[in-house]
Amino acid sequence: SSELTQDPAVSVALGQTVRITCQGDSLRSYYASWYQQKPGQAPVLVIYGKNNRPSGIPDRFSGSSSGNTASLTITGAQAEDEADYYCDSRDSSGNHLHVVFGGGTKLTVL
Amino acid sequence: QVQLQQWGAGLLKPSETLSLTCAVYGGSFSGYYWSWIRQPPGKGLEWIGEINHSGSTNYNPSLKSRVTMSVDTSKNQFSLKLSSVTAADTAVYYCARYTVTAPPFDYYYYYFMDVWGKGTTVTVSS
Repeated sequence: SSELTQDPAVSVALGQTVRITCQGDSLRSYYASWYQQKPGQAPVLVIYGKNNRPSGIPDRFSGSSSGNTASLTITGAQAEDEADYYCDSRDSSGNHLHVVFGGGTKLTVL
Repeated sequence: QVQLQQWGAGLLKPSETLSLTCAVYGGSFSGYYWSWIRQPPGKGLEWIGEINHSGSTNYNPSLKSRVTMSVDTSKNQFSLKLSSVTAADTAVYYCARYTVTAPPFDYYYYYFMDVWGKGTTVTVSS
C-alpha cells in the first residue's frame, strides 16, 4: 500500500519560518491535508486542498504541493505552534479507496 | 457547529471485539464519509476506515478482515467493530467527519477530516 513520508522532527526559532514536508505517490493524484495535534488532544485540521485554511486557523499556516511532495509552511512560528503535524491523502492504489497518513513531524519552537 | 461524541468500552481482553459508537450533533449526516482513526501510545495516526450515510464502506487493507462499520441514520450515529483484538490494538480511537468537495477552477477534489471526536482510549490486556 502507499505511504506518506515525513521527517520525524523539525525545529524552528521563534518568529522564523519552517517548512514541513510530506512525500508519497498518492500526492501525484490527491492533495494532502494537514493536521496539528497537541499532547492529549485530538488532531485539528489546519490546511486542506490546494492551500485552504479552515475558519480559525491563523494565516501564518499555508500549504503547497509539487509532484509527489506536499508542504506545510508556518511563517513566523509561535510558541503555540509547537505540536505534532500529520499529513494525509486519499489513495486509490491497489484498486481500493483508502486514506493514508504520514508518520508525523514533531515541531519544536526554540 | 457540528460535534462528534463517541463512546465505547475502554478495557478489553485479547480475542474480544472492540465496539465504539460516534454520534453526530448539529449538522447533516448525509453528504459525508464518517471515519475512524486510531493512535497507539506514542505513535502516529492510522486510518481504520470510513462509511457514508447509505452504508458504503472503505477499510484499511491491513485491518479489513477484522473491521465492520455500520450506520444508524435515524440516530445520526455510526459505529466501529474490530474483532479478535490483541495488545497491538491498544490505542486512542477517534471518529471524524471526512469531507469531500469539488472546488471551482481546480481539477482535483479536496478530501479532509474537518471535525473530530475527542477520542476514546481502548486498552487490550489480559
